[in-house]
Amino acid sequence: AQSVTQLDSHVSVSEGTPVLLRCNYSSSYSPSLFWYVQHPNKGLQLLLKYTSAATLVKGINGFEAEFKKSETSFHLTKPSAHMSDAAEYFCVVTPVRAGGTSYGKLTFGQGTILTVHP
Amino acid sequence: SAVISQKPSRDICQRGTSLTIQCQVDSQVTMMFWYRQQPGQSLTLIATANQGSEATYESGFVIDKFPISRPNLTFSTLTVSNMSPEDSSIYLCSVGQPIMNTEAFFGQGTRLTVV
Repeated sequence: AQSVTQLDSHVSVSEGTPVLLRCNYSSSYSPSLFWYVQHPNKGLQLLLKYTSAATLVKGINGFEAEFKKSETSFHLTKPSAHMSDAAEYFCVVTPVRAGGTSYGKLTFGQGTILTVHP
Repeated sequence: SAVISQKPSRDICQRGTSLTIQCQVDSQVTMMFWYRQQPGQSLTLIATANQGSEATYESGFVIDKFPISRPNLTFSTLTVSNMSPEDSSIYLCSVGQPIMNTEAFFGQGTRLTVV
């Protein structure tokens, strides 16, 4: 079984300040973890992914996330928020089976709405 | 990567009717999935569309309500049957490959409103 908990349903920051979106997971298998972003009336876009390589993962638009197995966390950060970052963010987990194959089925967190103030 | 086209992008339907949503991928993919995103909620997996066999449904979803077809490796349909207002949601098609290091790709979604 697997699950994802996004600890904040809403995060509000000022433009130019750091962003932290928190995510904790549980998985019966070694997980692959992802962050997706959903802008209003647009499709889901992959920000970054962790697949058992480097624990610090860099993604698009200046975002990065660190996989911490001991804390079962995969928090998303950005040093300086931009107005265009305002969107809903989803932390996602999929289990990876022994041998390195993935089921491909995704379990989504509840989402965090990021608001960026001028 | 994969480019996914979903039709229709949105629809308003009468209760008691059915709507079929199409998902077309620009390349052959092994795994296709259908998700539902209810208003203000996260995405929930409805089922895995299997090519050449019956779809695999998640707990809480049944074939009679959400029949799925997967005639080949690039196309799938999801039907929402006997609709009620509670079925008003965004329905998304997703594709992935059963290998490591591959993320899932999503269609733009179908925004369904049942009145």
